[in-house]
Amino acid sequence: ETGVTQSPTHLIKTRGQQVTLRCSSQSGHNTVSWYQQALGQGPQFIFQYYREEENGRGNFPPRFSGLQFPNYSSELNVNALELDDSALYLCASSWDRGLGYTFGSGTRLTVV
Amino acid sequence: DQQVKQNSPSLSVQEGRISILNCDYTNSMFDYFLWYKKYPAEGPTFLISISSIKDKNEDGRFTVFLNKSAKHLSLHIVPSQPGDSAVYFCAASGVGGGSQGNLIFGKGTKLSVKP
Repeated sequence: ETGVTQSPTHLIKTRGQQVTLRCSSQSGHNTVSWYQQALGQGPQFIFQYYREEENGRGNFPPRFSGLQFPNYSSELNVNALELDDSALYLCASSWDRGLGYTFGSGTRLTVV
Repeated sequence: DQQVKQNSPSLSVQEGRISILNCDYTNSMFDYFLWYKKYPAEGPTFLISISSIKDKNEDGRFTVFLNKSAKHLSLHIVPSQPGDSAVYFCAASGVGGGSQGNLIFGKGTKLSVKP
């Protein structure tokens, strides 16, 4: 049974640029959720995708968008990067929107 | 406004003793609570959960207690081991807490278990 894998592990971007983060869900999981964890904070819910459709969204602006593919891999896209977007981005997969999350190790994004 | 609060940023405990990590919440609509453990450079790992219809759930060395009237839960680790040293996150979910499947996390408590 494979876990959740995220790529890249680290990334440095310049303010105003766009970034795409990738996640491969655990085998059999059809739900993926993305969280942002700023330094010293707990993870904050960005959005969730279930069967390729957005299933819920947290308090993040529209420049945060996502995609989920038929093979249940997914992407998080952030446009017009701001310094405050610097954080650890966590992907979590689960079965049928359940709370039995399996988290990936995250992508550390630094915006300079 | 934080809906899930972990007021102790850190906790240090001697090996073999009990570790008690606390969590408070403000939203009475939360109906499910979870504890996660996080090591550096790894994602959070699920530890134990409790439904709001229960007041205790036990799994090996880990026990979670829920006091709904006080909107308080705690995680007890007995006996504590050096490998338990990590950041522990309390999380909550429920209809009032946001979208289905959305977990609301506290800021975490860093536990250090000294040999």
